[in-house]
Amino acid sequence: AQKVTQAQTEISVVEKEDVTLDCVYETRDTTYYLFWYKQPPSGELVFLIRRNSFDEQNEISGRYSWNFQKSTSSFNFTITASQVVDSAVYFCALSDNNAGNMLTFGGGTRLMVKP
Amino acid sequence: NAGVMQNPRHLVRRRGQEARLRCSPMKGHSHVYWYRQLPEEGLKFMVYLQKENIIDESGMPKERFSAEFPKEGPSILRIQQVVRGDSAAYFCASSPVRGAADGYTFGSGTRLTVV
Repeated sequence: AQKVTQAQTEISVVEKEDVTLDCVYETRDTTYYLFWYKQPPSGELVFLIRRNSFDEQNEISGRYSWNFQKSTSSFNFTITASQVVDSAVYFCALSDNNAGNMLTFGGGTRLMVKP
Repeated sequence: NAGVMQNPRHLVRRRGQEARLRCSPMKGHSHVYWYRQLPEEGLKFMVYLQKENIIDESGMPKERFSAEFPKEGPSILRIQQVVRGDSAAYFCASSPVRGAADGYTFGSGTRLTVV
């Protein structure tokens, strides 16, 4: 069965601090896909990144970076020099061959960036 | 090119009434997925539909909930005889191909409040 765990339910930082959001997943498949979504206070879901299980290269996009480690089944997300606009709930999600029609979401991490 | 359109954005129903949530997928997308987000939780898969067919309803509650995606018109998620526990955000997503591997485009959600 698939499972995604985001152990940090809430994180509070001061602007300009770096922050890492943890994501640990479980799957029996060797082919799977990992995602991060952002849910700002307005409520919509914003796609951030998709990663397949065969690509372990870390990725950087501006202030965002992702660290994918198969050995620890983790797909962590780091925001560098956080800004108030980064305040949101962030969800990690998994799709694998066993449940190919659906995304399995973690419980989310609420990030609060204070000025 | 409009994204996934959901309406209404907010819906208030009294206990025992019916709730109808609508979702128009992105142009060219024939696969629609419904997810539910209970307060302070992650999203949970409900149902996956293609035009005129329910493909996977493994996440749908057994009673009072139904979904359709007719040949013409939007997909509808219908909740009969609503109860307070149905209060949640309901998200629709669409994709051009089957499955979640490529990720979805989510709508902005419908927030249902049962009073």
